[in-house]
Amino acid sequence: AQSVAQPEDQVNVAEGNPLTVKCTYSVSGNPYLFWYVQYPNRGLQFLLKYITGDNLVKGSYGFEAEFNKSQTSFHLKKPSALVSDSALYFCAVRANSGNTPLVFGKGTRLSVIA
Amino acid sequence: GAVVSQHPSRVICKSGTSVKIECRSLDFQATTMFWYRQFPKQSLMLMATSNEGSKATYEQGVEKDKFLINHASLTLSTLTVTSAHPEDSSFYICSARDPAARLETQYFGPGTRLLVL
Repeated sequence: AQSVAQPEDQVNVAEGNPLTVKCTYSVSGNPYLFWYVQYPNRGLQFLLKYITGDNLVKGSYGFEAEFNKSQTSFHLKKPSALVSDSALYFCAVRANSGNTPLVFGKGTRLSVIA
Repeated sequence: GAVVSQHPSRVICKSGTSVKIECRSLDFQATTMFWYRQFPKQSLMLMATSNEGSKATYEQGVEKDKFLINHASLTLSTLTVTSAHPEDSSFYICSARDPAARLETQYFGPGTRLLVL
């Protein structure tokens, strides 16, 4: 079975500081890993994904994530946070075989303070 | 990128009535669509996987007779909440997968907020 853990319900960071939102996963075989962002009363917006290749993945709005197979982690990072980054962030995983759906973590609310 | 639409975006209904939510893939053919449900301040919970031309596969704990899913064409899936009750109030999000994409990605609709009075 697939699962995703986002250990932090809330992350607070000052504007201009680096941010990290943590994610660990469990999946049979090799994973496809994703980060999505959700603003209030809106659907999900795709940020980035890891499929294969370089472990460091760069995505939208200056976000990046590093796939670490040994630690089964895919933490989301940004060097300098903006107030507009404040939102709910979801990590998701699926196995890279078969027609399996995405499984989501519980989400981490990021608050960037000016 | 690929676009998935949902209609309606918001619906308010009386308890006991049925509500149909449409999910459309606008520029690709989606052989598989997924329906998720999100409660306030919680994650997306997969309800069912819908394959075109066949019966949907429901996740454990999801009542298939209450949440009717139809995937009659490659661009349309519908979710009907039958005899809705206040506890069915939630944010329903559909997602579609483009099998022709080189790297498979799920595209998400904007969601439908259902409020049952």
